Amino acid sequence: EVQLVESGGGLVKPGESLRLSCAASGFTFSGYSVNWVRQAPGKGLEWVSSIDPSTTYIFYADSVKGRFAISRDNAKNSLYLQMDSLRAEDTAVYYCARLSGSGDFYYFDHWGQGALVTVSS
Amino acid sequence: QLVLTQSPSASASLGASVKLTCTLSSGHSTYSIAWHQQQPERGPRYLMNLNSDGSHWKGDGIPDRFSGSSSGAERYLTISSLQSEDEADYYCQTWGAGIQGVFGGGTKLTVL
Repeated sequence: EVQLVESGGGLVKPGESLRLSCAASGFTFSGYSVNWVRQAPGKGLEWVSSIDPSTTYIFYADSVKGRFAISRDNAKNSLYLQMDSLRAEDTAVYYCARLSGSGDFYYFDHWGQGALVTVSS
Repeated sequence: QLVLTQSPSASASLGASVKLTCTLSSGHSTYSIAWHQQQPERGPRYLMNLNSDGSHWKGDGIPDRFSGSSSGAERYLTISSLQSEDEADYYCQTWGAGIQGVFGGGTKLTVL
């Protein structure tokens, strides 16, 4: 069974940093791109960042570019999101999601349960 | 610009059917999408992929009550024999080169 379990969420002040982790199991982690998707309170889903299996292709949403850094450790079956210079608008539940597909179309076929990040003074 | 548009809300009675719509922006009518369900206080769950020709394939364990269809730039999710646990938010999602993940605003389905 595919499982994605996020950890590392919490309450931080504006300008501070936080690192999220996602532990993957039930599939060959090194064979898949993985992503972070977030959801602000009462809002919809927003794609945040993507990383391919070899870490060759890394992408970010404009809203986090230059402040967030995605990484992975295939030996540990783990995905990370380093979040620096946090802002109030980064407050959200952050989901780890596995990416499947090919060619021009990719989709999230497995999701974690989410980790809450609250940025407030 | 690649945009997915969904109605904010929908409702239908227990045991009835409902058809949710996701509309692709101009110039993107051939794009495939995926449908995701998010029950209250839970993470999203992948339901199915849906192509422009209406062909679709569902995720593991998704009941036959869930089906997809397409017409032009519109992608539909039909849920038949509605059950109380179908009350949830439904999101469509696609992928754009250089844009990556794109989500619709979501439709909140109420089962009456």
